Amino acid sequence: ETGVTQTPRHLVMGMTNKKSLKCEQHLGHNAMYWYKQSAKKPLELMFVYNFKEQTENNSVPSRFSPECPNSSHLFLHLHTLQPEDSALYLCASSQSGVAKNIQYFGAGTRLSVL
Amino acid sequence: TQLLEQSPQFLSIQEGENLTVYCNSSSVFSSLQWYRQEPGEGPVLLVTVVTGGEVKKLKRLTFQFGDARKDSSLHITAAQPGDTGLYLCAGTDGSYQLTFGKGTKLSVIP
Repeated sequence: ETGVTQTPRHLVMGMTNKKSLKCEQHLGHNAMYWYKQSAKKPLELMFVYNFKEQTENNSVPSRFSPECPNSSHLFLHLHTLQPEDSALYLCASSQSGVAKNIQYFGAGTRLSVL
Repeated sequence: TQLLEQSPQFLSIQEGENLTVYCNSSSVFSSLQWYRQEPGEGPVLLVTVVTGGEVKKLKRLTFQFGDARKDSSLHITAAQPGDTGLYLCAGTDGSYQLTFGKGTKLSVIP
């Protein structure tokens, strides 16, 4: 148990569906992250939020829409995805400042787009 | 763009053997982390190294940061089946961005 909880653990969706991934952290951190992990590729940082403000958006397509209502919760809204978006989506959190690189990960949501 | 190359990609060894995995880059990092990821789970942080030449030990695992802070190694002594997993290195330039390698998939056979 890392203190970062992701739901659902598995998700199958069609290309026309809209779904959301949820992440909650119980560590008192102020920074939260979305990563994508695909087979044979390094983990790719998608979004970073620090004190609820988005600080990084690594050229992620607009069909992925993040939301951070407070420092403990992070969502990733999905719509009109493509089959190549199938991957493990990982949420992480960290303190801000000098400890920001010590990130704690959730177990991920395994997404399959049909 | 910073890149981290990990080698080997796959490693299968017998219980009790020693092994070393490597993480190399042409870029300088302000710190480097090692994670272990088991199937169906997220990466779990093992160690952070910050100073060039730094060596840290975690039971049977020894981590070293290169003098120039461009590379790192992880050495496991007397590997156990419980060491099986995907080992990831990740470096940072001090921003929120962590650059990950593709990982080394380790299998320790009883």
